[in-house]
Amino acid sequence: EDQVTQSPEALRLQEGESSSLNCSYTVSGLRGLFWYRQDPGKGPEFLFTLYSAGEEKEKERLKATLTKKESFLHITAPKPEDSATYLCAAPNSNSGYALNFGKGTSLLVTP
Amino acid sequence: GAVVSQHPSRVICKSGTSVKIECRSLDFQATTMFWYRQFPKKSLMLMATSNEGSKATYEQGVEKDKFLINHASLTLSTLTVTSAHPEDSSFYICSASPSGSEQYFGPGTRLTVT
Repeated sequence: EDQVTQSPEALRLQEGESSSLNCSYTVSGLRGLFWYRQDPGKGPEFLFTLYSAGEEKEKERLKATLTKKESFLHITAPKPEDSATYLCAAPNSNSGYALNFGKGTSLLVTP
Repeated sequence: GAVVSQHPSRVICKSGTSVKIECRSLDFQATTMFWYRQFPKKSLMLMATSNEGSKATYEQGVEKDKFLINHASLTLSTLTVTSAHPEDSSFYICSASPSGSEQYFGPGTRLTVT
């Protein structure tokens, strides 16, 4: 059964304190690993898609990496505006491109 | 970038009434759109896949007669919650993909059934 598991569930950082969020997955025939950011009361905002082990993508203070079993979202020198829930997802192996989401990591960055 | 809109953003309805939520892809065409539901502090759960010109595909446990989906054009899908009850109160979010892989999400619709 396809599974996407994120850790930690919640993370509190001080401004400037770098850290990483983890997403482990068991999906047959991975067709992309997606990262989204979600602010309260809003829809998810697309961040990255990774397709193969070893691939890395960056956007401002965020960098996503992918191995055969997990993905990491590295946050370098975070700012309070980076506070949000970060969601990891992968297409179901038997449902076209519908996404199977992890439960998310709620990130709080304090000044 | 790809933009997906939803309308309304918030709706309050009385128990037993029906509510329609629209999902539009504004700058691309989408043969497939997806409807998700999200409970407070929970992740998104796929409800159904909306296919333009054909019937929607529902996930296990989702009542197709209660959650009616119509994908009338390549830029519009609608979700109608029929005979709504308080337990249907939730955050409903749609998504669409211009290329079949990366999905872009709408801003969501907060439904409250009283």
